Amino acid sequence: GDSVTQMEGPVTLSEEAFLTINCTYTATGYPSLFWYVQYPGEGLQLLLKATKADDKGSNKGFEATYRKETTSFHLEKGSVQVSDSAVYFCALKSSGGGADGLTFGKGTHLIIQP
Amino acid sequence: NAGVMQNPRHLVRRRGQEARLRCSPMKGHSHVYWYRQLPEEGLKFMVYLQKENIIDESGMPKERFSAEFPKEGPSILRIQQVVRGDSAAYFCASSPSEGSRHSPLHFGNGTRLTVT
Repeated sequence: GDSVTQMEGPVTLSEEAFLTINCTYTATGYPSLFWYVQYPGEGLQLLLKATKADDKGSNKGFEATYRKETTSFHLEKGSVQVSDSAVYFCALKSSGGGADGLTFGKGTHLIIQP
Repeated sequence: NAGVMQNPRHLVRRRGQEARLRCSPMKGHSHVYWYRQLPEEGLKFMVYLQKENIIDESGMPKERFSAEFPKEGPSILRIQQVVRGDSAAYFCASSPSEGSRHSPLHFGNGTRLTVT
C-alpha cells in the first residue's frame, strides 16, 4: 500500500537558517504530493502541492520538488522565521483517487529559535 | 466563505459516556473524511463519506465507532462507551469531488476529545 516517510523531529533551528525536511514515499502509479502545516491548536492547512514529476510547489517561501526517480518531495526554505514553528506533514494521494483521501507521514515538529 | 467547521473544539467525557463530534464541510463540498491524531503521531484515516453513503470505513474501529453524513446537516462521528484510549484530536476534512488526485483536502480545526 501507499506510505510516506518523513524525517523525525523535533527539528530545532535558529532564525534565518536554511530548512530541509526530508520526505520519501511509496505508491503505485503517479500520486500527487502535498505538504500540510499544523500550527499549535489548529487543523492542517495546505502549504503546497505538486501533481506530476519535476513539478515544484511553492508558497510562503517554502518549496518542494516532485522527484520521481528518488520518490522524494523534500520541503525547503531558505531563511526560516520564528513564525514557521509548527508541525509539517508530507502526504500523497494516489493516482487511483483513493477513497481514503490522503496518506500522511507522521509529521515533523519544527522549532525555530530567535 | 466559511471553511470546514467542527464542533465542539474541546470535549470531555467520562469513561462509558458517548461522544458526538460534528463536521460541516466547506460550501459546495460533498465529500467528508474523518481522521484521528494521537499524541506525537500523524493522522490516521478513519472513514470517508458522501451524502447518505459511507464509501470507505476501513480505518474505523469495528466496535463503538460510527459515522454518518445525512442529506441535511453536518457529518457526525459517534463514539459510544468511550475509553481513555479514545482521547485524541479528531479532524474532519472535505473535498469537492473524489477521484481527482489533484484535489487537496481542506481540514477543520479539529475536536480534542479527552476521556477521564
